[in-house]
Amino acid sequence: DGGITQSPKYLFRKEGQNVTLSCEQNLNHDAMYWYRQDPGQGLRLIYYSQIVNDFQKGDIAEGYSVSREKKESFPLTVTSAQKNPTAFYLCASSIVTGHLHGYTFGSGTRLTVV
Amino acid sequence: AQTVTQSQPEMSVQEAETVTLSCTYDTSESNYYLFWYKQPPSRQMILVIRQEAYKQQNATENRFSVNFQKAAKSFSLKISDSQLGDTAMYFCAFMGEKGGSEKLVFGKGMKLTVNP
Repeated sequence: DGGITQSPKYLFRKEGQNVTLSCEQNLNHDAMYWYRQDPGQGLRLIYYSQIVNDFQKGDIAEGYSVSREKKESFPLTVTSAQKNPTAFYLCASSIVTGHLHGYTFGSGTRLTVV
Repeated sequence: AQTVTQSQPEMSVQEAETVTLSCTYDTSESNYYLFWYKQPPSRQMILVIRQEAYKQQNATENRFSVNFQKAAKSFSLKISDSQLGDTAMYFCAFMGEKGGSEKLVFGKGMKLTVNP
């Protein structure tokens, strides 16, 4: 079955460490997105990519980095520069004309700083 | 920049009743797309319904329907015959057509509880 796989489901990070969240899709979607979800804040866009080897900053990109070397994969690195990284992270994908069907979301990764 | 506002943070309803979730948005674009997503306790985001701004007819998907008022920039979701499985967070979202605005912008969400 086609879908988006995020791993791990839970991730713990020590302060000062970088961590990478995985996002893989087999839907043949061109566009991929990373959102951060905090209680009472809704979903906020971190980065997005509409084509391989290209990506753009979203509304809250500071302290995060991404790569898009393959169409299927869009990993997110939370760097030590991100001051408050504890949150729920959602990856999504869509066909380029995302307005036709909306986005397909992964099941998320819960990141906790310990 | 587009903004989406969900003014009710939480609601509850009895099973089998009808409930309406409100959403307003702000944009200068004339054509755009509106969505309602559901996030149950599993935290999986599920698309509930979608509306195209240039279509006057309100979208309907089984027990879910919208009341789209373009002039008022309002996009409410009506859930009929509420079921226990409708208990979830509900997010209203906007997507524009112009360059740079083709990304989903979400409201802060509303927690709906359906009581037996």
